[in-house]
Amino acid sequence: DAGVIQSPRHEVTEMGQEVTLRCKPISGHNSLFWYRQTMMRGLELLIYFNNNVPIDDSGMPEDRFSAKMPNASFSTLKIQPSEPRDSAVYFCASSVAPGTFYEQYFGPGTRLTVT
Amino acid sequence: DAKTTQPNSMESNEEEPVHLPCNHSTISGTDYIHWYRQLPSQGPEYVIHGLTSNVNNRMASLAIAEDRKSSTLILHRATLRDAAVYYCIRPSGNTPLVFGKGTRLSVIA
Repeated sequence: DAGVIQSPRHEVTEMGQEVTLRCKPISGHNSLFWYRQTMMRGLELLIYFNNNVPIDDSGMPEDRFSAKMPNASFSTLKIQPSEPRDSAVYFCASSVAPGTFYEQYFGPGTRLTVT
Repeated sequence: DAKTTQPNSMESNEEEPVHLPCNHSTISGTDYIHWYRQLPSQGPEYVIHGLTSNVNNRMASLAIAEDRKSSTLILHRATLRDAAVYYCIRPSGNTPLVFGKGTRLSVIA
């Protein structure tokens, strides 16, 4: 398996523009997680899905952020409008299921820069 | 709240064993202990996880205290490529991973 695939790997955009990050989980994994990493706040869980259904989005910072999982092999994280403080590395991860028993596998991340 | 306590940083000489400690004094009987690491400019990488008994895999060993309130990740021979931030995590029930600050391991040639 190719592992978790994320695109784009790098994104530079201007403040106010819409940004869409994409993720393809490992085949057969039923849970998908979006994280954000900054120097100040470390790795933060934004939202996670189980069987394509959002389970917990309490980590989503504002209404400007939205995430979808239309099928088991694809998810998007959208920021509209983007702001400079959204600059971070965004990671997608997948797992057989959430919780204590199963390990998570992470993608390489998307480095977002908002100017 | 990562619910674990780790030293901020540790240093090791190359080809020496490394013991990375973690305290999780409030762990419940069904919580697994997970270890992940993050190499520079990469995403976190699964290392190992266990419940009660010690666990070994090709990357590392996990030694879990008898009372399960602490654990130690053991890298048997540190290499320069093992320099990373190591995260000890104990997810509960169906909750996903919550990352703390981890331990930054430096390996000296």
